[in-house]
Amino acid sequence: QVSLKESGPVLVTPTETLTLTCSVSGLSLSNARTGVSWIRQAPGKALEWIGHIFSNDEKSYSTSLKTRLTISKDTSKSQVVLIMTNMDPVDTATYYCARTQIYCSGRSCQNWFDPWGQGTLVTVSS
Amino acid sequence: DIQMTQSPSSLSASVGDRVTITCRASQNISTFLNWYQQKAGKAPKLLIYAASKSQNGVPSRFSGSGSGTDFTLTVSTLQPEDFATYCCQQSYTTPFTFGPGTTVDFK
Repeated sequence: QVSLKESGPVLVTPTETLTLTCSVSGLSLSNARTGVSWIRQAPGKALEWIGHIFSNDEKSYSTSLKTRLTISKDTSKSQVVLIMTNMDPVDTATYYCARTQIYCSGRSCQNWFDPWGQGTLVTVSS
Repeated sequence: DIQMTQSPSSLSASVGDRVTITCRASQNISTFLNWYQQKAGKAPKLLIYAASKSQNGVPSRFSGSGSGTDFTLTVSTLQPEDFATYCCQQSYTTPFTFGPGTTVDFK
């Protein structure tokens, strides 16, 4: 059974760098049809995709956040790390990691998020 | 970025009702559309992927349809555990984007 769990600080000071870790069990991060995405949700707001990393180390980031983001993985530890620099109070949100499943037919690949971690609330405040 | 909209933003319904939620993409996304259910304080749960394929273990009362820019999630007979927020998500291209959500509450 695949499960993911986020860990990291609950409180971050403005301008500080946030580092979150997603620990994955029941799944190898070297699996060719698997990636891990980071998604966040500000209180009372919609879900926002942050970025993802796949087994071949391919990465993609949110347009609005990409200058502040780094996603990396340690396959031996089954962990994916999100680094977000220059945190601001508007970045206060619950941060989720989720397995990104891939199904390809020809040159077309579908992606979906399942399962998700429980999420971790990060508050940015001085 | 592809913009996703949903209607209605909220609806009130009763157990046993048939509920339909609409999702619209700002451009043609073929069938690259997923639906999630989220209950208060919980992580989202995948219901439907590729517009119409039900995730394993999801009750058959949930169904998805559509292609191109217009999509629908239908709950054929609403159950007490279905009162939640539902959102769509496009996977046609990165950055992946979500709809704002539709909250289904008790009438």
